[in-house]
Amino acid sequence: GENVEQHPSTLSVQEGDSAVIKCTYSDSASNYFPWYKQELGKGPQLIIDIRSNVGEKKDQRIAVTLNKTAKHFSLHITETQPEDSAVYFCAARGAGGSYIPTFGRGTSLIVHP
Amino acid sequence: SQTIHQWPATLVQPVGSPLSLECTVEGTSNPNLYWYRQAAGRGLQLLFYSVGIGQISSEVPQNLSASRPQDRQFILSSKKLLLSDSGFYLCAWSYGGGDTEAFFGQGTRLTVV
Repeated sequence: GENVEQHPSTLSVQEGDSAVIKCTYSDSASNYFPWYKQELGKGPQLIIDIRSNVGEKKDQRIAVTLNKTAKHFSLHITETQPEDSAVYFCAARGAGGSYIPTFGRGTSLIVHP
Repeated sequence: SQTIHQWPATLVQPVGSPLSLECTVEGTSNPNLYWYRQAAGRGLQLLFYSVGIGQISSEVPQNLSASRPQDRQFILSSKKLLLSDSGFYLCAWSYGGGDTEAFFGQGTRLTVV
C-alpha cells in the first residue's frame, strides 16, 4: 500500500517568513495530493490540492509543487501570519481500489508574531 | 451542497462501557466513508472504510467495529471500551472514485476514564 512521509514534524517561524513542508510517497500510481489544515479541536480542512498532471499550483499565499519522478510534493506558505498556526497534513490518493487517502503524520506550524 | 455531521463532539466514558459514534452525510449518494483516529502524536490512523452499504473494511485490528446500515450513515462502536481507546475520532467521506478530496467531520473527543 501507499506510504507517505512528512517532514518536519514541527516548524516554528516568525511572522512574515516563509514555511515549507515536504512529503514523499511510495506508490507511483497515486495521482491526487491534497493538503489539509487542522485547527485545534476541529477536523482537517482542505487548503490546496494538486493532481499528477500538474507540477505546481498556487492560491494566494499558498503553493504546492509536485515532482512525480522523485515522488515528493511540498507545501509552501509565504508571508506567514499567526492565523496560519495549525497542524498541516499531506496526503496521497491512488487511482485504484477504494481510493483510500493515505496521510502523512502532520506538521505543527507555529507562527510567532 | 454536501455536509457531514458527526456527534457527539465530546464524550467521557468509563472503562468497560459501550460506545456508539454516529456520522451522517447529506447531499451526495454512495459516498466512500471513513473512520480515523487521531492520538496525541497528531497522525491520522485509518480504522475503517466503506464503499457501500454493509461493506466494511478494517485497517487495524482493535476493540472497535463499524457498521453502515444506510447509504450515508456510518457508525463506530465498541462493546467494552479500553483506556487506550481514548482519542480524537474523525469521520470523513469522499466521492466513490477518482482523484478527489476527503471531507472531514468536526470530530469526537473521546476520553475513557
